[in-house]
Amino acid sequence: AQSVTQPDIHITVSEGASLELRCNYSYGATPYLFWYVQSPGQGLQLLLKYFSGDTLVQGIKGFEAEFKRSQSSFNLRKPSVHWSDAAEYFCAVAPLSGGSNYKLTFGKGTLLTVNP
Amino acid sequence: GAVVSQHPSRVICKSGTSVKIECRSLDFQATTMFWYRQFPKQSLMLMATSNEGSKATYEQGVEKDKFLINHASLTLSTLTVTSAHPEDSSFYICSARDPKGTGETQYFGPGTRLLVL
Repeated sequence: AQSVTQPDIHITVSEGASLELRCNYSYGATPYLFWYVQSPGQGLQLLLKYFSGDTLVQGIKGFEAEFKRSQSSFNLRKPSVHWSDAAEYFCAVAPLSGGSNYKLTFGKGTLLTVNP
Repeated sequence: GAVVSQHPSRVICKSGTSVKIECRSLDFQATTMFWYRQFPKQSLMLMATSNEGSKATYEQGVEKDKFLINHASLTLSTLTVTSAHPEDSSFYICSARDPKGTGETQYFGPGTRLLVL
């Protein structure tokens, strides 16, 4: 069965520092890959997605992610974190073939705390 | 573009009553909508997939008679929690799949906080 692993439950960084959030997936074939962000008490906002082409994907709010097929990873990065980036980040996958209406499988999330 | 709204954002009800939550896609037509439940400090748990004009598909362990889903139009899906009990208190989030392009992206509503007393 497909699964998504976010190994870091909680990460704390200082404002201005770089950030990398890890995501590994287990799937029969390369799926659609997504990163979503959730602020407290809010829904999820799409940061970026990947399904083909350039393996380095640019998203909103200065985020980027790199797909590495050999490592089954899709890590999220930001060169300089802002206090407003403090939130919960979810990695998710959906089947490339569109099976099950592209049903998403989520990781457990990584909570990002930003220190001033 | 790709905005999804939910109403209400927060609801408090007495045990035994029913609560309806609406999910609307505001600027696109969504043939497929999803309903999730999220417990504090946890990830999203998919409850059901809602396709316009047909019965919803429920995930294993989700009571379809407890959580009634209706997707009567291409922009509206509703979730009704029937005979709500305190254990139904949770954060409910809907999403809508935008069929444009490759059609794989889900856009999420802001969520509804349900508290059953």
